[in-house]
Amino acid sequence: EAQVTQNPRYLITVTGKKLTVTCSQNMNHEYMSWYRQDPGLGLRQIYYSMNVEVTDKGDVPEGYKVSRKEKRNFPLILESPSPNQTSLYFCASRPQGRSYEQYFGPGTRLTVT
Amino acid sequence: LAKTTQPISMDSYEGQEVNITCSHNNIATNDYITWYQQFPSQGPRFIIQGYKTKVTNEVASLFIPADRKSSTLSLPRVSLSDTAVYYCLVGSEGFNKFYFGSGTKLNVKP
Repeated sequence: EAQVTQNPRYLITVTGKKLTVTCSQNMNHEYMSWYRQDPGLGLRQIYYSMNVEVTDKGDVPEGYKVSRKEKRNFPLILESPSPNQTSLYFCASRPQGRSYEQYFGPGTRLTVT
Repeated sequence: LAKTTQPISMDSYEGQEVNITCSHNNIATNDYITWYQQFPSQGPRFIIQGYKTKVTNEVASLFIPADRKSSTLSLPRVSLSDTAVYYCLVGSEGFNKFYFGSGTKLNVKP
């Protein structure tokens, strides 16, 4: 089944403890992206990657890192999480081409205390 | 990226046609218009995309006037399962950057 998977789905952690949220897609998509969703703010783009080893900032990159060493994986790294990074995170992918059709993962609910 | 303005919420009844309008006054020549649907605690799902005039698929229609400063998503004969948040997106930049905005919460009543 074509899909985007994220792990973990739920995570509660403490301020300053480094964490990684993994994202993987099995559709051979070149483009991948991370979003966070907060009440009243819709989805905001954190980082995106156009292909392996090519990444760029979205609207809210502060406090996050990403890497794209393999086409199928695009992990989101929080080096020193803070409570304001408590949010619902979504990973998405899409094939190359003139389309905005992204495929989203199920989401990761992160709580930083 | 061109910003968008949508109504915060709308109510409808089962079986009715629903039209959600999005304003994007600063849309650029190369910008496309896209709509997504999101259910609670799920990732958004692509509905439809267009550049001008009208686009129709099995789920919805998208109407874009000649000046392209607005667009209307039309959902025919909605059901309770269409209760969701609908996002209008506008932008190009190589189709890499996406701005979802706050969306329109559609509530379909029986």
